[in-house]
Amino acid sequence: QVQLQESGPGLVKPSETLSLTCTVSGGSISNYYWSWIRQSPGKGLEWIGYIYYSGSTNYNSSLKSRVTISVDTSKNQFSLKLSSVTAADTAVYYCAKGANPHYWGQGTLVTVSS
Amino acid sequence: QAVVTQEPSLTVSPGGTVTLTCGSSTGVVTSGHYPYWFQQKPGQAPTTLIYDTSSKHSWTPARFSGSLLGGKAALTLSGAQPEDEAEYYCLLSYSDARVFGGGTKLTVL
Repeated sequence: QVQLQESGPGLVKPSETLSLTCTVSGGSISNYYWSWIRQSPGKGLEWIGYIYYSGSTNYNSSLKSRVTISVDTSKNQFSLKLSSVTAADTAVYYCAKGANPHYWGQGTLVTVSS
Repeated sequence: QAVVTQEPSLTVSPGGTVTLTCGSSTGVVTSGHYPYWFQQKPGQAPTTLIYDTSSKHSWTPARFSGSLLGGKAALTLSGAQPEDEAEYYCLLSYSDARVFGGGTKLTVL
C-alpha cells in the first residue's frame, strides 16, 4: 500500500517561501494525481492544489499567485512551494494521492514566525 | 468560489443512526461533484471513508454509507460505535476546483 511522507522546515519566516516535499513509497508516482491540503490550527481542511505525474497542475484560486507544485518522477517525490508567507499560512500541511485524496501523509506542521 | 456546508455538530447514541449532509452554495449536489467523505480524529491525519458518492475503501467500516439525499451528499452511520466520535469532512469537485466543507463534529454519547 502506498505511503506518503512530508518533509521540510517546520519554521519559516514571514515573507519567505515555504518549501515541502512529499516522498511516495510502496508505489510509483507515475500515472496518478497528487495533492497538497492544509489545516490551520483548530480549523478545517483547505485544498491547495494537485499535480499530475506529467506535470500539469491545478491550484486553489485563492492561493494561485503564491503556489507552485512540482513533481520529480526520478525520486518518486512531489513538492510544494508557497511564497510570501504570513502567519495565516501556519498550518499542518498534508500530501495525498489523488486529485481527490485517497491516501494521506501524516502531515507536517509549518509555523510562520520571525 | 463555491461554499460547501456541513452541520457544525451532531450527536448520536451508541448503536444509533445519524446522517451527515454536505451542501453546495451553487445548488443541488450531484454525482458529478464526486462527493468524498473523510474522518479525522484528534491529532491524526484524515482518512478517506467514501469516494464518488458511495464507494468505499477496503478499510471503511460497513456501518458507513454514502448517498445523495435531498439535493445534498450524505454520509450515514448506522450502529454508531464510540470510536466513530470524530470530525467528518466532505469534499466536492467543481470542474478543476476542489472545496472542503467546514466539517461536522460527531459526538457518540
